[in-house]
Amino acid sequence: DIQMTQSPSTLSASLGDRVTITCRASQSIDNSLAWYQQKPGKAPDLLIYKASSLESGVPSRFSGSGSGTEFTLTISSLQPDDYATYYCQQYHSYWTFGQGTKVEI
Amino acid sequence: EVQLLESGGALVQPGGSLRLSCAASGFPFSSYALTWVRQVPGKGLEWVSSITGGGRSTYYADSVKGRFTISRDNSRNTLYLEMNSLRVEDTALFYCARVRVPAALADSFDSWGQGTLVTVSS
Repeated sequence: DIQMTQSPSTLSASLGDRVTITCRASQSIDNSLAWYQQKPGKAPDLLIYKASSLESGVPSRFSGSGSGTEFTLTISSLQPDDYATYYCQQYHSYWTFGQGTKVEI
Repeated sequence: EVQLLESGGALVQPGGSLRLSCAASGFPFSSYALTWVRQVPGKGLEWVSSITGGGRSTYYADSVKGRFTISRDNSRNTLYLEMNSLRVEDTALFYCARVRVPAALADSFDSWGQGTLVTVSS
């Protein structure tokens, strides 16, 4: 089974900050990686697929990079609506989520 | 607009059974693989099971294999999850979700329902 490890688990940031979240896979997953945003009481929303492709309707301040085993999600300038929990997901072999990163003030 | 609406969640005793449903609209249902993902309240996301568009192929997480059965009725645009031998640790919010690309399986999930809560407790 492929394990996904996110860091950090919690991130404290201020409005306008550049935020980076890291996701590591236990083995190579090429670029079969997605990022989701989840707000309390809501279902997850897809932000990024294929490691770096922005889902339609997602603001351009979100970007993804990486391949193989190391990936990053970057928010270029943190906005009030971005305070949420973020999950990475591999779909190279079945599907596995990271444990999540909570972005808080 | 893509819509997924789960139902069937309930309080059930350990060892019991439950069937979840997910009614879909707004897209060509049989063209898309679908999946169930669960989330213990306050915890992370766990993939549970997936099924191809035609329903021929199914996939399960080890934690539910042999106890849960995924199926779909393409004439009714509905996805199901039959859950047997339920355990306390199956308590979670269950989401149905659509695989992003038509006819694909190995991809991300681009549309999600609002979830239905399953509580396993005596």
